Amino acid sequence: EVQLVESGGGLVQPGGSLRLSCAASGFTFSSYGMNWVRQAPGKGLEWVSYISSSSSIYYADSLKGRFTISRDNAKNSLFLQMNSLTVDDTAVYYCARGPYQYDSTGWSAFDYWGQGTLVTVPS
Amino acid sequence: DIQMTQSPSAMSASVGDRVTITCRASQGISKFLAWFQQKPGEVPKRLIYAASSLQGGVPSRFSGSGSGTEFTLTISSLQPEDFATYYCLQHNNYPLTFGGGTKVEIK
Repeated sequence: EVQLVESGGGLVQPGGSLRLSCAASGFTFSSYGMNWVRQAPGKGLEWVSYISSSSSIYYADSLKGRFTISRDNAKNSLFLQMNSLTVDDTAVYYCARGPYQYDSTGWSAFDYWGQGTLVTVPS
Repeated sequence: DIQMTQSPSAMSASVGDRVTITCRASQGISKFLAWFQQKPGEVPKRLIYAASSLQGGVPSRFSGSGSGTEFTLTISSLQPEDFATYYCLQHNNYPLTFGGGTKVEIK
């Protein structure tokens, strides 16, 4: 059974840093790209970042270089280092799987999501 | 960056209604589009992938169509459990972009 479990969220002061983790199980983690998606309270979904199975990396333009995605295939783990946090970064952060490295049609993109971890940056 | 314009942003419908939600991409994305359903307090759930393929376990009343720049999600006969917010996502080009969401409420 595919499982994605996020951790590391919490309350952090403006300007602070936080490192989120996503523990993966039930599939060959090293063969899949992985994403972070966030959702501010009462708002829509916002894609944050992607790391491919070969560690190509992309970010949302809005992050302005403050976030860093990484992965540890030996530990089946995905990470998001978040620096210079602002009130606008307050959100539930989800990790989401996909696509598979040989997926050319999108069948494996965002097929599994974790439960999310809440990051709160007070004003 | 590709903009995804989703419409309507909200709608009221009755059980049994046919519901259509549209996403327009600012440039062509082939069929790299997925649809998600999210209920309050829950994790988004993928309904449709590759624009028109039904996710396993999702009722057949859900269907997707389109390619290029215009896509639709159709619920053929709305059921009580379908009242939720729906999102499209383009994953053809980075940065990936979600539509703004469509909240389907009970009339």
